[in-house]
Amino acid sequence: KNEVEQSPQNLTAQEGEFITINCSYSVGISALHWLQQHPGGGIVSLFMLSSGKKKHGRLIATINIQEKHSSLHITASHPRDSAVYICAVADYGGSQGNLIFGKGTKLSVKP
Amino acid sequence: NAGVMQNPRHLVRRRGQEARLRCSPMKGHSHVYWYRQLPEEGLKFMVYLQKENIIDESGMPKERFSAEFPKEGPSILRIQQVVRGDSAAYFCASSPETESQPQHFGDGTRLSIL
Repeated sequence: KNEVEQSPQNLTAQEGEFITINCSYSVGISALHWLQQHPGGGIVSLFMLSSGKKKHGRLIATINIQEKHSSLHITASHPRDSAVYICAVADYGGSQGNLIFGKGTKLSVKP
Repeated sequence: NAGVMQNPRHLVRRRGQEARLRCSPMKGHSHVYWYRQLPEEGLKFMVYLQKENIIDESGMPKERFSAEFPKEGPSILRIQQVVRGDSAAYFCASSPETESQPQHFGDGTRLSIL
């Protein structure tokens, strides 16, 4: 079993829809990251969180430490949101850079 | 304020040659991380460095791979005697001195082994 599981693997949505991507992990963590990988391959860090909720524009990330679960929400989705969204955790016993990555959720937003 | 700069963007090597991948962190960042993304697979941690020090190399293959982050100049990921299985995208990220700061990623180097 992978230490970081994401669902769904693939997601197709219509422009304007509310989107949720889920991430579950099995290790104790010091932080959880949400990343966005563009079709061209570049990676952007969206959020780093260890508790509660963070919001940036149309993106919201939440984490429940007790349940070892995080969600990434996109409101009013747009075709430019099409990308692979990756959840990664920093194991509590490891170094801050030693991230364990999920396999990613490929999102396609249709106009 | 330039972001994390990786070069080259694409690198082609023949089996047995050496590959050198460079990463210049963002200005003011002293922590550098290297990750590898094999085709159709997720990202994997390789190594975490600070200036002149390797902090965590638990993800580095035991042979042929090495990394450095000298006092002056970029961080270098070096792969000796490359094999076909080394073909991958190699990403570098950097973060500031203090912990609990998000990492900023470079655009990656795509390494192809002929």
